[in-house]
Amino acid sequence: SQTIHQWPATLVQPVGSPLSLECTVEGTSNPNLYWYRQAAGRGLQLLFYSVGIGQISSEVPQNLSASRPQDRQFILSSKKLLLSDSGFYLCASKPPMNTEAFFGQGTRLTVV
Amino acid sequence: GQNIDQPTEMTATEGAIVQINCTYQTSGFNGLFWYQQHAGEAPTFLSYNVLDGLEEKGRFSSFLSRSKGYSYLLLKELQMKDSASYLCAVSNDYKLSFGAGTTVTVRA
Repeated sequence: SQTIHQWPATLVQPVGSPLSLECTVEGTSNPNLYWYRQAAGRGLQLLFYSVGIGQISSEVPQNLSASRPQDRQFILSSKKLLLSDSGFYLCASKPPMNTEAFFGQGTRLTVV
Repeated sequence: GQNIDQPTEMTATEGAIVQINCTYQTSGFNGLFWYQQHAGEAPTFLSYNVLDGLEEKGRFSSFLSRSKGYSYLLLKELQMKDSASYLCAVSNDYKLSFGAGTTVTVRA
């Protein structure tokens, strides 16, 4: 099965600072990759998904961006964080065929 | 776009059965998933339906009707550790979209 590495587990950043969250996947090739954000007590909001290297689809307009420089690496970035960017960020990986998606352990981001 | 609806909260007694409904409207459909999420943790996979009918896995079962855009997750013999959020997710055209989740509270 797949293993999703996501770090850091927690992060406190000041408003206006940059952000880079990295997700790497083991145990599969050519997965579909996803970034989600979850506000406290809420559901998962799909931010970005990628079906291959360099291919990024954005679901929600915002000051975040994503990149996929390698097949099993997915990066979430921001040039200047806003207070509203606080939340629980989850990376997920899903094989091309229709089986379940596996999640990383998440990063809890607090923008202060 | 996608529209995935499920109840916000449900409460049940230990040992009882609870059914969590999920309705969806999506452009395209490749499968429906149920995940369990405990507070502060990542979601974990419970079940997957791509064809109509019931899939049973131990105490958990999931049902799908594609023509009605409807699924349910059935939790039997509830245990205190089943208190969690249950997320319905629909896969279509490479996207995997989630409902807002149903918080289930199991009482002794």
